Amino acid sequence: GDSVTQTEGLVTLTKGLPVMLNCTYQTTYSPFLFWYVQHLNEAPKLLLKSSTDNKRTEHQGFYATLHKSSSSFHLQKSSVQLSDSALYFCALSESGGYKVVFGSGTRLLVSP
Amino acid sequence: AQTIHQWPVAEIKAVGSPLSLGCTIKGKSSPNLYWYWQATGGTLQQLFYSITVGQVESVVQLNLSASRPKDDQFILSTEKLLLSHSGFYLCAWSPLPQGGDTQYFGPGTRLLVL
Repeated sequence: GDSVTQTEGLVTLTKGLPVMLNCTYQTTYSPFLFWYVQHLNEAPKLLLKSSTDNKRTEHQGFYATLHKSSSSFHLQKSSVQLSDSALYFCALSESGGYKVVFGSGTRLLVSP
Repeated sequence: AQTIHQWPVAEIKAVGSPLSLGCTIKGKSSPNLYWYWQATGGTLQQLFYSITVGQVESVVQLNLSASRPKDDQFILSTEKLLLSHSGFYLCAWSPLPQGGDTQYFGPGTRLLVL
């Protein structure tokens, strides 16, 4: 079946440093990849999405590129802020489909 | 603008008791609606989705059921709660009729089963 793998459960960083959160996926169909962010006691919100191969997408300082050749959609930011501390989920959906598969999530903790 | 509401905000229930959680979306006709479950600090598990009134598709079996009695309403229920049902229940909607699009989540309902 379809799956999404996030290898880091917890990432701790000092403010101002760069970050990359890994996301790889397995599917047999044309994928739509998403990054959602969930702050403490809140609902998840969309951060980024893409279905276009090798095209960088950016939002709020975060960016990611879908690489279909390696089935990856890693999330990056050049300089993390304290407010970036949250739970980050990578998710996979079929273009035109209704099922969504989420990764296990990566908790990012940014310290002063 | 579209708004999504969930009720109740939180529940504490006994094992074996029934449960009904609700979700309403305003400002969007014929939305695709979804139910998700999240264990504390855990991943999001899609439970059900519905693309039209009266039709619900199950994604996983967790001794839960769902119904869509109105275009803007989605209900999650069970007749007998288990301890494993504790968690955060999120309703979501997506705008495109063909699916495969962004999920917009409601504020969620926290459930504790004792």
